[in-house]
Amino acid sequence: GENVEQHPSTLSVQEGDSAVIKCTYSDSASNYFPWYKQELGKGPQLIIDIRSNVGEKKDQRIAVTLNKTAKHFSLHITETQPEDSAVYFCAAPRAAGNKLTFGGGTRVLVKP
Amino acid sequence: DAMVIQNPRYQVTQFGKPVTLSCSQTLNHNVMYWYQQKSSQAPKLLFHYYDKDFNNEADTPDNFQSRRPNTSFCFLDIRSPGRGDAAMYLCATSREGTDNSPLHFGNGTRLTVT
Repeated sequence: GENVEQHPSTLSVQEGDSAVIKCTYSDSASNYFPWYKQELGKGPQLIIDIRSNVGEKKDQRIAVTLNKTAKHFSLHITETQPEDSAVYFCAAPRAAGNKLTFGGGTRVLVKP
Repeated sequence: DAMVIQNPRYQVTQFGKPVTLSCSQTLNHNVMYWYQQKSSQAPKLLFHYYDKDFNNEADTPDNFQSRRPNTSFCFLDIRSPGRGDAAMYLCATSREGTDNSPLHFGNGTRLTVT
């Protein structure tokens, strides 16, 4: 089965700085890697995803990079703002289909 | 507008007293999922329905059951809750059961077992 490891578990940054979260996965057949943001008292929300046919994807201040050879992918948040404070989860599909294995989560705190 | 709606947001039940959590969706998605999320942990898949086909995870306790009477609604039944079942329960949907269909989560029901 898929094993997804996520680091760091907590990340504190100053407003305006960048934040980087890294994940590794075990199943070389995985080809879809979503990132979810979970705010306090809410369910996870998809913020960006990447498929294995590209190495990088950007959406405004958020970017994701993928290294299939090394089996790791990263989330980059630039110009962080207080509203970026949340728990972020990476995920990878387990076998075929949409059954995701989530990383352990990263609690990001952006200090004003 | 909320598209995956979970009720109630907070549920308190007594040890051993059956409880049912509800989820409804306005997306008309084929697949509905139930996840359990304990404090400071990742969501853990309990089971999912592809249309009417029920798929149980191997390590989901027998204490947990689910029903999907129609496309829009899905229920999680906990027959005899123990204190270890206290958690946030998240419902999610996807149009299809492939990785081309992102998951849409509700805001969860936080279950307390007294």
